[in-house]
Amino acid sequence: DTGVSQNPRHKITKRGQNVTFRCDPISEHNRLYWYRQTLGQGPEFLTYFQNEAQLEKSRLLSDRFSAERPKGSFSTLEIQRTEQGDSAMYLCASSNDGHTIYFGEGSWLTVV
Amino acid sequence: AQSVAQPEDQVKVAEGNPLTVKCTYSVSGNPYLFWYVQYPNRGLQFLLKYITGDNLVKGSYGFEAEFNKSQTSFHLKKPSALVSDSALYFCAVRPNTDKLIFGTGTRLQVFP
Repeated sequence: DTGVSQNPRHKITKRGQNVTFRCDPISEHNRLYWYRQTLGQGPEFLTYFQNEAQLEKSRLLSDRFSAERPKGSFSTLEIQRTEQGDSAMYLCASSNDGHTIYFGEGSWLTVV
Repeated sequence: AQSVAQPEDQVKVAEGNPLTVKCTYSVSGNPYLFWYVQYPNRGLQFLLKYITGDNLVKGSYGFEAEFNKSQTSFHLKKPSALVSDSALYFCAVRPNTDKLIFGTGTRLQVFP
């Protein structure tokens, strides 16, 4: 069990640039989630996939955010035209039953 | 609105003493309940969950949690705290959807 893997772990980008994060879930987990966590807050739900289908999106996920899971395995989260308010840790998680959800180490984004 | 409350921002306890981290929730139906722990600059680690059955659930690292339906609470407990338990603890609920709703976290400090 290699756990949920996220890359890159840290990203510093200039305002207005695009960034992409990758998540590799635990093998054979059909559910994949993205959350965002800012300092002093608990994680907030962004979006959820079951296999390759994106089943739910939060209102937090503006038009600048897009997530994909093309073959039901890894997923990418892209943020276009980054803003300083996008600075946060982006957490990916996976599950095979929706009962126990395992999180990755997170990807820290700093927009300067 | 569905929510999770962790009323204490910080809990301090001496090593060897019992600890309790409080959590109450406000969701409809019979939610699933979870506790996660987060160490500095790391992702979330799953500790335990309540789905159904015995109100006292046991989890990783000697932690347990007690579900109280009438008080809508799910407090995390450990009989004897360790300095290494010092971390940020999050309570989460899963209502009848596939996403978790997190509290704002409680920082546990165990001093020698």
